[in-house]
Amino acid sequence: KAGVTQTPRYLIKTRGQQVTLSCSPISGHRSVSWYQQTPGQGLQFLFEYFSETQRNKGNFPGRFSGRQFSNSRSEMNVSTLELGDSALYLCASSAGTSGRAGVYEQFFGPGTRLTVL
Amino acid sequence: AQSVSQHNHHVILSEAASLELGCNYSYGGTVNLFWYVQYPGQHLQLLLKYFSGDPLVKGIKGFEAEFIKSKFSFNLRKPSVQWSDTAEYFCAVIAYSSASKIIFGSGTRLSIRP
Repeated sequence: KAGVTQTPRYLIKTRGQQVTLSCSPISGHRSVSWYQQTPGQGLQFLFEYFSETQRNKGNFPGRFSGRQFSNSRSEMNVSTLELGDSALYLCASSAGTSGRAGVYEQFFGPGTRLTVL
Repeated sequence: AQSVSQHNHHVILSEAASLELGCNYSYGGTVNLFWYVQYPGQHLQLLLKYFSGDPLVKGIKGFEAEFIKSKFSFNLRKPSVQWSDTAEYFCAVIAYSSASKIIFGSGTRLSIRP
């Protein structure tokens, strides 16, 4: 099975611009989660989508948004970029969404490195 | 709120030394625990996981971790490290609740001297 793919791998933007990142999950996986990784903060959860619905959300401002399509592919959008948004954005897919019914292992993509100048 | 603590931010060891990386979490209910590794230039990959059963879990590349519920800990161990173990290690927790999300620790950078 092909792994999780993320495009683009690298992006350079300037403050005030907006950006859209894309994630294609492993075939058959219906859950996609997004994380922001920075040297000081580690991995911080942004949101999770399952069957085109946002299931969980982290503590990020409304400038960060996402969506999931019927084929489970997901996009993340950041509007009005700030210098502090420079980070590695990771996408992870899993077969289901973790909860009382069970816990699912997450498989990570290589990430998109976003640099905001 | 759930949280995960990895108190060692950077660990430096010589080859063949034994390794123990600490991980503590705060959540009183049932949890599922993970250790992920990120080698330089590579993406995060799962080292091992604990869902239930034997609290001593064995993972890939000779790593193991022990879940001690009374101490809210899930420390990662390896008896003899190699230079190729140089990487960043992340502990993660999912609480067994209605709307679970995975919480990661801040990571421990492991440097192995050849």
